[in-house]
Amino acid sequence: EAGVAQSPRYKIIEKRQSVAFWCNPISGHATLYWYQQILGQGPKLLIQFQNNGVVDDSQLPKDRFSAERLKGVDSTLKIQPAKLEDSAVYLCASSARTGLAKNIQYFGAGTRLSVL
Amino acid sequence: GQNIDQPTEMTATEGAIVQINCTYQTSGFNGLFWYQQHAGEAPTFLSYNVLDGLEEKGRFSSFLSRSKGYSYLLLKELQMKDSASYLCAVSLTGFQKLVFGTGTRLLVSP
Repeated sequence: EAGVAQSPRYKIIEKRQSVAFWCNPISGHATLYWYQQILGQGPKLLIQFQNNGVVDDSQLPKDRFSAERLKGVDSTLKIQPAKLEDSAVYLCASSARTGLAKNIQYFGAGTRLSVL
Repeated sequence: GQNIDQPTEMTATEGAIVQINCTYQTSGFNGLFWYQQHAGEAPTFLSYNVLDGLEEKGRFSSFLSRSKGYSYLLLKELQMKDSASYLCAVSLTGFQKLVFGTGTRLLVSP
C-alpha cells in the first residue's frame, strides 16, 4: 500500500514570495490533515479536511495561508506572502475517517520550507 | 487550552530500558497516541491507549492513567536505531484532532 506522498521535499524562498505544497493521501482515506512542525517542536494542526470539507482550521493563519482539497483526494497548501517565521516542515497526514475509536494518522515525509 | 508535557531529551545505553513520561491537560479526551520520528523523517505510529492500563507490543509498551492525565512509553532492550524523537499526542473528542507535545529526543549510546 502506497503511503502519503508530498512534494516538493525542500523549498527555499525569499520573504513575501508565495509557495505551494502538494499532498496525495493514502487511497481511500477520507480525512486529510496539514501540520506545521517548527524545529524542536511537535506538529501543530493547521487544517483538517473530512472528504473535501473543512472540519477544523482554527489554527490556520487565514490572512496568508490557504488550503483546498478538490474532489476529496489531493490537497494543496499555499502561503502568500511568506514570512520568516513560516520556516518549518509542513507535514501532510491522512486517516481512514474520523469516528473510528483508533483513528491512526499516517504521515508523509513533509516539505521543509526555508524562508530567507 | 490544551497542555501536553514531556521531557525534552533523554539518554540511555544500548540494551537498557527507558521510560518516557507524558502528562496532559486537555478539554476532551478520545485516546492517546505515541509516534516515533527519526530526524528528517515522517512521524510513524507506535501505540494507542484509550482505556487505563498497559498496552504491550514487542519491545514497546504504553501505559495510560486517565484520572491522572498521565501516560508513559516504555522501550526495552534499546537499540541504536531507537535514537529518535518520541511524540505524545492526545486525540480530542469531536473530530479527533491530535494535539502533540513537543517531543522527547532519545539518544541511545553504545
